[in-house]
Parts: sequence; structure tokens; C-alpha cells
Amino acid sequence: GAVVSQHPSRVICKSGTSVKIECRSLDFQATTMFWYRQFPKKSLMLMATSNEGSKATYEQGVEKDKFLINHASLTLSTLTVTSAHPEDSSFYICSAPRQGHSYEQYFGPGTRLTVT
Amino acid sequence: EDQVTQSPEALRLQEGESSSLNCSYTVSGLRGLFWYRQDPGKGPEFLFTLYSAGEEKEKERLKATLTKKESFLHITAPKPEDSATYLCAVQSGSSNTGKLIFGQGTTLQVKP
Repeated sequence: GAVVSQHPSRVICKSGTSVKIECRSLDFQATTMFWYRQFPKKSLMLMATSNEGSKATYEQGVEKDKFLINHASLTLSTLTVTSAHPEDSSFYICSAPRQGHSYEQYFGPGTRLTVT
Repeated sequence: EDQVTQSPEALRLQEGESSSLNCSYTVSGLRGLFWYRQDPGKGPEFLFTLYSAGEEKEKERLKATLTKKESFLHITAPKPEDSATYLCAVQSGSSNTGKLIFGQGTTLQVKP
């Protein structure tokens, strides 16, 4: 079946540093990937749409300069949290739709970011 | 504005006690309604996609149905391993990106 991976699964960093999270589609190509943020006991909040070969589309209220997205290839998108602060601590999840499978989106396992 | 509302927010069932979760939606042209299961600390796991009113899909103890205004996820004779948060999401036909709009989820706890 369709599989999406994320790396790392957990990361702890100090305030002011940057953290990169990778999202890969393992057995299909994805021209589009989505990045979500999830707070404890809350639903998923779409942050941005990652587009292969072009700029990401950010949702209203999401800082473009803080959350850098690069869709490097048809199987890889990265989210870089720049100059991280404790309020950036969260669960970050990516997803990718599998073309030809009726818009079904498959999610990665998530990355738990803790900023100290 | 496209919107998804799930109810109840939390549901506690005894093992074997069947029930239903509700997902009400308003969307400009439904392209698809999706059900996901999410376990704590993990990404959502795809369950079903429904496309048009009257459609039904089943998987083990789960059955999803769709009307023009809402979807139900019926759980028949649940087991403790069915405990999870169930998320409903819609995809609008007016979206050219395929993004999903999620409800707040229903957290299900099944006690043995």
C-alpha cells in the first residue's frame, strides 16, 4: 500500500536553532504534499501545500519565513522550522495524495518537535 | 466557508456496544469525504473515502455512510483495539490543490 515516511520521528532542539523535517513518499510520486500541525487533543491544522518545482502555498496566519518548505523532488518535501522557539513545539505531520487513487491522502507518522 | 463538525467529541463504549459517530459538513461542491483513524502520537491512518450521497463502505467492524449533509461512521460490536480518535475530512471541488478540511475528531474509548 501507499506509504509516507517522516524523519526524524522526534527531535529536541534549543531555542534559536533550526530544525529540518523530511517527508517522503516511498512507493509513489507526489507533486503535491501537505504539512499539518497538531496540538494536543486537537485536530490537524493545515500549514501549507508543498508543490514540486514551485513555491509552497501557505495558509493564512502561517509565517513563510519561519516555516520554510522545499519540495526537492517528486518523493521528498522538507519543512524547516527556523529560529525555533518553545511555542513551535508541536506534532508536525505531512501527507501526500496518491495520483490515480481518487484523491486519497496518506499521512506520515508525524514528527514530535520539542523546543527547550 | 467550508466547514466540518464532528460529534460527539468523546465517546465511551463497552466492548460489544455498537454506536455511530457523526460528521456534518458544508462544502462548495464535495469532491470526497474521508475518514481516518489516529492513534496517540501517530499519523492518521486512512479508512474510507465516500464521494456521493447514498454511498456506503465497510471494513471489518466499521461502516461509513454519506448523505448530502453528513456522514456516519458506524461501529458494530467494538473491541478495545478500536479505541482511537476518528477524524473526518472533506475535500472541496473548488480546491485545485486537493487540501483537506478536518473536523475536530471523536475520541473513542472502548472498555473491555
